[in-house]
Amino acid sequence: AQTVTQSQPEMSVQEAETVTLSCTYDTSESNYYLFWYKQPPSRQMILVIRQEAYKQQNATENRFSVNFQKAAKSFSLKISDSQLGDTAMYFCAFMRATGANSKLTFGKGITLSVRP
Amino acid sequence: ETGVTQSPTHLIKTRGQQVTLRCSSQSGHNTVSWYQQALGQGPQFIFQYYREEENGRGNFPPRFSGLQFPNYSSELNVNALELDDSALYLCASGRGGFRETQYFGPGTRLLVL
Repeated sequence: AQTVTQSQPEMSVQEAETVTLSCTYDTSESNYYLFWYKQPPSRQMILVIRQEAYKQQNATENRFSVNFQKAAKSFSLKISDSQLGDTAMYFCAFMRATGANSKLTFGKGITLSVRP
Repeated sequence: ETGVTQSPTHLIKTRGQQVTLRCSSQSGHNTVSWYQQALGQGPQFIFQYYREEENGRGNFPPRFSGLQFPNYSSELNVNALELDDSALYLCASGRGGFRETQYFGPGTRLLVL
């Protein structure tokens, strides 16, 4: 079974600064997908970024980038130039690349507050 | 907005009752998954449907059941409601057969009294 751990329950960052959210996972699979989802207070879960484990290059999406360390089973999210709209709960999630379905296994999430 | 819609947005039931939650998938998607999110927790996988067949189930009892319709919309049914069933229920749609990203709806907040 796969597990996803987000050990920081809350973080706070000043607007325009950079923040890094941590995530570790445990799996015996060699190929898989990792995601960061954002859930604002309005609660709709939005995809932030996706990483395929077979790709060595770290994924980036505008101000969002990841640091994927496969050997360490670590998948952190860096948010640059933080904006007030980044205030949300952030979830790290794992998906197997094999198997019958595309089940997501989530961590407990981290609440990020961006201060003006 | 993801194009995935859910109804109702909020629901209050009493213990022992039955509830049906609905989800309309994003256009072009033929897989739907349901998740339960307790307050302050990450979503937990309930089950997934692909082309109207259940193709995976999490650690939830049989009183949680579902359906997927030919138009790929879906229902989640919960019988004999318990207080611990109070949660946000999320559906997510994607293109089945691939490891495609899943897109979430806004959720239904269920309160069981």
